Amino acid sequence: DTGVSQDPRHKITKRGQNVTFRCDPISEHNRLYWYRQTLGQGPEFLTYFQNEAQLEKSRLLSDRFSAERPKGSFSTLEIQRTEQGDSAMYLCASSLVEGTGELFFGEGSRLTVL
Amino acid sequence: AQKITQTQPGMFVQEKEAVTLDCTYDTSDPSYGLFWYKQPSSGEMIFLIYQGSYDQQNATEGRYSLNFQKARKSANLVISASQLGDSAMYFCAMESSGAGSYQLTFGKGTKLSVIP
Repeated sequence: DTGVSQDPRHKITKRGQNVTFRCDPISEHNRLYWYRQTLGQGPEFLTYFQNEAQLEKSRLLSDRFSAERPKGSFSTLEIQRTEQGDSAMYLCASSLVEGTGELFFGEGSRLTVL
Repeated sequence: AQKITQTQPGMFVQEKEAVTLDCTYDTSDPSYGLFWYKQPSSGEMIFLIYQGSYDQQNATEGRYSLNFQKARKSANLVISASQLGDSAMYFCAMESSGAGSYQLTFGKGTKLSVIP
C-alpha cells in the first residue's frame, strides 16, 4: 500500500494524558498537512510542512499541540494534557509541490478523550 | 478570509439519475483553486475534481463535473448516473495560494444518499 498511513487509527485516553499520532505520507510527497475534523464538520487546517520545515500553523493549534517532521518523511502530532474538546478525527494528508495541490488523505486517527 | 458554504446538509438521488451538490465560496484573492472530496463511512477523504480560478472550461473527471460560475462564486458538483457506491459525505474546499498559504478551507459537507 503506497497511500498515506496513520497510526493509531483509534485512541481512547483520559483527560490530562498526552497522546501522539504518526503519519507516513506518500514517499515522494514533500508537503504534509494535519487537519482536524469534528462530528458534522468539514476538516479544519492545523499545520503544514514542506520537507522538514513547518511553514504554517493555524491559531487552532494551541500550545498543547506540537507537530514535527524531523527528516522530511514521517510526521508526528502530539497533544499534551488532553481535554475533552480535543476529541476529533485527526487527518494527515500529503501532496507534491507541483501540480494542482491535490491532497492525498490518510484514513485518520480518531481520538476520544474521556 | 476564505469561506465555503454548502447549504444542503443531505440529498437523496435515485440510482442512475444525476445530482447536483451546491457550493458557494468567498475570497478576495484573484487566484484560487476549488476542490471536491468524497468521504465514505471509512473516513478517508478521496479527491474527486479540481477547478482553477483561471481555467476557462469547467472541469470534468469521469462521472463528475464541476459547474463553475465565477461571477456567482459558485462551484457546484454534478454527479451523473449515480451509483450506490456514491453514497457518502461530499466536501467542497478552496485553496487560496495568493497569500502564500497552501491550506484548504472546507465546507460543512453534504450527505448524499443513493436510493436503489
